[in-house]
Amino acid sequence: AQSVAQPEDQVNVAEGNPLTVKCTYSVSGNPYLFWYVQYPNRGLQFLLKYITGDNLVKGSYGFEAEFNKSQTSFHLKKPSALVSDSALYFCAVRGSTLGRLYFGRGTQLTVWP
Amino acid sequence: DTGVSQDPRHKITKRGQNVTFRCDPISEHNRLYWYRQTLGQGPEFLTYFQNEAQLEKSRLLSDRFSAERPKGSFSTLEIQRTEQGDSAMYLCASSFRGSRDTEAFFGQGTRLTVV
Repeated sequence: AQSVAQPEDQVNVAEGNPLTVKCTYSVSGNPYLFWYVQYPNRGLQFLLKYITGDNLVKGSYGFEAEFNKSQTSFHLKKPSALVSDSALYFCAVRGSTLGRLYFGRGTQLTVWP
Repeated sequence: DTGVSQDPRHKITKRGQNVTFRCDPISEHNRLYWYRQTLGQGPEFLTYFQNEAQLEKSRLLSDRFSAERPKGSFSTLEIQRTEQGDSAMYLCASSFRGSRDTEAFFGQGTRLTVV
């Protein structure tokens, strides 16, 4: 069965500091991993994905994520946080050929000035 | 605007009434998904279509829920005899699956409140 865990409901970081939002997954077969961001009363915006290839994936707005197969993790990172990064972040996994995504519960990121 | 479009953005209805939501996907996308999101939770899968064929339905999609994509373009999600527990954000997404798969792009959602 496919599942995603985001162990932190909230992450707080000062502007300019690096940020990490954690995600671990469980999937049958090769994982297709995604990060989405959601602003209040809005839909989800795609940030980045890992399908195959380099373990470090770069995405939108300076975000990147590191795929670690042995730890079944796909943590989202950014070297220098901005106040405008404050939002709800979702990790998702898609197993092989099926189209559906399995989402984590989300992590609320707050970046304070 | 070439993104995924959902209508209406907000719907307030009385318990027991029927509601219908519409989703217009990105035009070249052949897959269309419906998800439901409640407060404090990630989106939960409801159903998806490849072209006009409904390929998978979640157990969350009770008999009161029905979805269609009659011509492989827009889709509708109908909830009959609404209950307070149906109050949620309903998200539509689309993607292309073929020689080069794309990720899913989401619409802004329809927020349903059942009173």
